Amino acid sequence: SAVISQKPSRDICQRGTSLTIQCQVDSQVTMMFWYRQQPGQSLTLIATANQGSEATYESGFVIDKFPISRPNLTFSTLTVSNMSPEDSSIYLCSVEGSDSYNEQFFGPGTRLTVL
Amino acid sequence: GENVEQHPSTLSVQEGDSAVIKCTYSDSASNYFPWYKQELGKRPQLIIDIRSNVGEKKDQRIAVTLNKTAKHFSLHITETQPEDSAVYFCAARPGGSYIPTFGRGTSLIVHP
Repeated sequence: SAVISQKPSRDICQRGTSLTIQCQVDSQVTMMFWYRQQPGQSLTLIATANQGSEATYESGFVIDKFPISRPNLTFSTLTVSNMSPEDSSIYLCSVEGSDSYNEQFFGPGTRLTVL
Repeated sequence: GENVEQHPSTLSVQEGDSAVIKCTYSDSASNYFPWYKQELGKRPQLIIDIRSNVGEKKDQRIAVTLNKTAKHFSLHITETQPEDSAVYFCAARPGGSYIPTFGRGTSLIVHP
């Protein structure tokens, strides 16, 4: 399985500001995914990020609020823009495994609190 | 799109008992069904998965069964231990898609 790291692990931010979360993988992967997990809730996909193309956003998520970069096959960033307390969540990046069925593996998550 | 229902939302058992978590899915094209365990404050970890060409898979104390006709699959944990306490998520992924749909999660509490 891939080794995935995220920075920061947690942050407390003021409303109206932005935070960029980094995701680094120890091997090259085609697809990277960004999820949001609100307290006590399930995993909600924000967007899929492929290297060299714009991210594909799920219903309810827009690029202006959650811009994503994918500059190479081992790295991606997610920015949470103009934050409000409702953005307080855990943000997880995820990648596919390398076998033929492409299991997903998750990073450790970034716990964001917006005051 | 795919819809995954998961039950129960909370499951409390005594150490040594068995635990069963059930999920149903809507898309008959789904062919991959992973289960994730998420301990408090940790990332979701893949614990077992099953493909649509298999009816049952077992790994030590955990097993997963799949009924394609009824579109449901279940996670079975035998001889539960306190360290099994966590939130468990099922998921279903349609063929041709890289993106699974997750259930709402089951909080399993194993009392010593």
